[in-house]
Amino acid sequence: QQQVKQSPQSLIVQKGGISIINCAYENTAFDYFPWYQQFPGKGPALLIAIRPDVSEKKEGRFTISFNKSAKQFSLHIMDSQPGDSATYFCAATEDNFNKFYFGSGTKLNVKP
Amino acid sequence: NAGVMQNPRHLVRRRGQEARLRCSPMKGHSHVYWYRQLPEEGLKFMVYLQKENIIDESGMPKERFSAEFPKEGPSILRIQQVVRGDSAAYFCASSPRVPTYEQYFGPGTRLTVT
Repeated sequence: QQQVKQSPQSLIVQKGGISIINCAYENTAFDYFPWYQQFPGKGPALLIAIRPDVSEKKEGRFTISFNKSAKQFSLHIMDSQPGDSATYFCAATEDNFNKFYFGSGTKLNVKP
Repeated sequence: NAGVMQNPRHLVRRRGQEARLRCSPMKGHSHVYWYRQLPEEGLKFMVYLQKENIIDESGMPKERFSAEFPKEGPSILRIQQVVRGDSAAYFCASSPRVPTYEQYFGPGTRLTVT
């Protein structure tokens, strides 16, 4: 049973457009929701994270929106650039940080 | 400050051999996580260790797999009698002394079992 469901599996966006990736979860004990960016052949790198008591968090062109009642959260990449082309993973963990659950990933391709 | 180091980066083993994967966390980090990633899939949690302790190994297969994080030296993920299904990328991530959501990943070890 997948704890964190991520969609879409792949996404093509034109340069300058907005990329939107969605995740959903069931476990209400999850307390932290980080997002990671992974380039081919590399390890994931932390992008941004949010807690359920915050509805939105913005860092540069990256914004997380969080809907606690719907148990959904999403990553928005504004003004998408070809350099943003990578695979993005959402994740979730409880407040003991013993275990992180990852979504299945979204492969983003930003066309120049 | 060097990042998380993993070696080897690529490892080829024949069925039945042992694979040893090493992870050196970032300086000052005493928490290590191991994950497995199959092609085109997300990361699957395997085990969480602190120095000399296994905190959560609920993601680790019960047989053939073991992990340790000794007081000195790197964390080791050991796979005995490898099978073709063990072929994957194995990533470790480290966290500072106080666990947080901040995990810093290494570049991974790509294991191929022939």
